[in-house]
Parts: sequence; structure tokens; C-alpha cells
Amino acid sequence: DIHMIQSPSSLSASVGDRVNITCRASQDIKNYVVWFQQKPGKAPKSLIYAASTLEVGVPSRFSGSGSETDFTLTITSLQPEDFATYYCQQYDDYPLTFGGGTKIEI
Amino acid sequence: QVQLQESGPALVKPSETLSLTCTVSGDSIDRHTHYWTWIRQPPGKGLEWLGYIYYSGSTFYTPSLRGRVTISLDSSYKQFSLKVTSVTTADTAVYYCATIEMTTDRIDYWGQGTPVAVSS
Repeated sequence: DIHMIQSPSSLSASVGDRVNITCRASQDIKNYVVWFQQKPGKAPKSLIYAASTLEVGVPSRFSGSGSETDFTLTITSLQPEDFATYYCQQYDDYPLTFGGGTKIEI
Repeated sequence: QVQLQESGPALVKPSETLSLTCTVSGDSIDRHTHYWTWIRQPPGKGLEWLGYIYYSGSTFYTPSLRGRVTISLDSSYKQFSLKVTSVTTADTAVYYCATIEMTTDRIDYWGQGTPVAVSS
């Protein structure tokens, strides 16, 4: 299995802050990474795929970067609706695997 | 646009079998472009992918649960199902059904999720 190590597991931030979340894969996964946002009681929502491609309708303050084993999700100017948990997920190989999640708290 | 809805018992006893169904609407379950998949999330924890089934009946399961997990397809009822045998409290989770787009292997549609507790 490909392991996805995500950090930090949680962080405190304020509205307007810039936030970086990192994900490291246990092997080269090219750019086959999705970043999900999950709010309490809801299914995850895809924000970014192929490491850096924004899903339609996702605000441009979200961006993704990286390749091979190291990936980053950046949120510039955090908004109140961005307080949630974020997960990376690799789709280079089965079984599909997720990072442990990063909870952004006020 | 695919809509997915999970259903099944909210409480299962230890050592018994957890059974859930996902009903598909808005598209054909026989579509050759997607895998039908299950993902779970224990309370307060991260996401775990369980496996998928293709319209042909071929399956792939995560190795850690292989032998306990079965996914099946019922095209006539536009449903696919999950069974997890010999459950323990570690199987307590919200279970999501979802679809994976075959050419990209990306998860593109999710159900709303259904909570299942394993308790005597």
C-alpha cells in the first residue's frame, strides 16, 4: 500500500491567514493526488486533483503543488467557511489511500 | 449526474455481518466508465477505502480487510452492496458509497454516508 503522511494533524488559524498543509507519499505517485475538504456530518468534497488542478467552482484562494512524493495544499486568506478538515488522497495505485487529515480550527 | 444513497442497519452486534446497500439514481449502474466503491470513516478518524466492483462483477478489496469484505452489484435494482463479516467495535464508522471514474481513478460522486455502530 502507498502510505500518505499528512501534516500537521491540526492547526489554529485566523481569518485572513495563509495556511499550508503538506502530504508525503511513501513512493513516487507522480501527480496523482486529490485534496478533499470535509465539514462535520458531510461527505468529503474534492477541491484539487492532479496535485494542482482546481475543481470547477472552488475559490482561487485554494491551490495545490508538488509531484512525486511531496505535495502541498495552500489556502491564502483563510475564510470562515474554510474551517474544516482536509485530506490528501493518492490515486496512483490501488488500494486508494488517504492522509490522516488536517483539522483547521479557529 | 449520479446520486447515491446508503441504507442499512445502524446497529450491528459484534461477530455478526454488517450489510449496507447503495441505491443509484440519475445514471445507469451498468455504465462501463465507473467503479462502484465503499469508503468508511470511524468516529473522529480519517477515511479508509474498502474496495470496488465493476459492472462486469470484477472486484478489488483493500488487503487489510480482504476475506471479510464483499461488494456485490444488483443492476436490476440499481443497487450495489457491502458486507463486512465478523465485525468488531473497530468496524464502527460512517460508511460512504461512491463512484470512481475509471479512466482517471478519481472518486467523483459520494453518498451522504450512513453511520453504523457495532455494539452488543
